[in-house]
Amino acid sequence: DSGVTQTPKHLITATGQRVTLRCSPRSGDLSVYWYQQSLDQGLQFLIQYYNGEERAKGNILERFSAQQFPDLHSELNLSSLELGDSALYFCASSVTSFSTGELFFGEGSRLTVL
Amino acid sequence: GQQVMQIPQYQHVQEGEDFTTYCNSSTTLSNIQWYKQRPGGHPVFLIQLVKSGEVKKQKRLTFQFGEAKKNSSLHITATQTTDVGTYFCAGGAGNNRKLIWGLGTSLAVNP
Repeated sequence: DSGVTQTPKHLITATGQRVTLRCSPRSGDLSVYWYQQSLDQGLQFLIQYYNGEERAKGNILERFSAQQFPDLHSELNLSSLELGDSALYFCASSVTSFSTGELFFGEGSRLTVL
Repeated sequence: GQQVMQIPQYQHVQEGEDFTTYCNSSTTLSNIQWYKQRPGGHPVFLIQLVKSGEVKKQKRLTFQFGEAKKNSSLHITATQTTDVGTYFCAGGAGNNRKLIWGLGTSLAVNP
């Protein structure tokens, strides 16, 4: 158990819909990262928040947005969903905002868009 | 842009054989991390290397960071079926030391 909690574990929805994925970081971790992993693909970095502020942006689509709340939990909002958005979405947390911090990954939220 | 290339993409070995995966960066890295993702699981941190030429061992796993801090390798001696999974490297790059991920090496071990 990494200490990072992600909900929901599975989500099935239709094209054009909007979903919200939730992440609670490990106790004491200020950084939250979102990653997308499609079938047989590597980890695509989407976005990072540190103590409530956006710290780094990766290959995140304009249809996607995220935020980190004062209690440090984070939400990833995916809108106008397309078939290609079907993937495993991981949240990870770390103490530091820099690359030298070990990342602790949640178990992921598997999104299926039909 | 900054990239971390990881090879091979796939590797099948017989149990007991050795396995090595390599990461190569186009730029100097501040550090490199290695993660393992079991099938159906999530990435789990294995180790971090920071110093030029650093070598670290974890039982049958040996991790190296190149002298120029542009490449790294993970070597597994005498693979076991429990080693099955995808191994990712991730290097710290840029002024903000953002993590750049390799695409991973998927290891299959035949018993």
